[in-house]
Amino acid sequence: TQLLEQSPQFLSIQEGENLTVYCNSSSVFSSLQWYRQEPGEGPVLLVTVVTGGEVKKLKRLTFQFGDARKDSSLHITAAQPGDTGLYLCAGYQGGSEKLVFGKGMKLTVNP
Amino acid sequence: DVKVTQSSRYLVKRTGEKVFLECVQDMDHENMFWYRQDPGLGLRLIYFSYDVKMKEKGDIPEGYSVSREKKERFSLILESASTNQTSMYLCAIMDRKAFFGQGTRLTVV
Repeated sequence: TQLLEQSPQFLSIQEGENLTVYCNSSSVFSSLQWYRQEPGEGPVLLVTVVTGGEVKKLKRLTFQFGDARKDSSLHITAAQPGDTGLYLCAGYQGGSEKLVFGKGMKLTVNP
Repeated sequence: DVKVTQSSRYLVKRTGEKVFLECVQDMDHENMFWYRQDPGLGLRLIYFSYDVKMKEKGDIPEGYSVSREKKERFSLILESASTNQTSMYLCAIMDRKAFFGQGTRLTVV
């Protein structure tokens, strides 16, 4: 059973469209993180959300942590080809030192 | 900036060979991790280490071992490479967030 479920798993859109990626769990997380991975590279941290209900913005990306700290979403406005990549959510549960990852959402933005 | 460097971007090895994947970090972090990443399966934790000469099994340790003789270096060893170990291998350091190396794409033929 996957602890963090991401949806959709794949998305192919045209430049300028908006999209939302979801990261859901039945467990509570002390924090959730979002990473972006470009082909042939390692994942790079985009943001960490810590407080239930928290919203963080990073240019055209908006991240939200659910009130119950069991889910998160990433919304991209006016997607660009440079947004293409694998988006991963990850979280720490309670006092664990191990980061749990979702399987990721592969985004392709066509010019 | 934190730097995590993996020794090779691409490797091709033969079945049965002993394979060493090296990871070096420049930030004096205690926690180092090895993952493999496969389509449809996501990132899976192989081994991790919280200190020199210390190692812990992750979720899929079978067929792998690790070595941490110095704090900055964490090596993943495939004792006898098999074709089902063809994968992308990622090293990371963690301090409440993960910093990954660029990955090693290993192909076992």
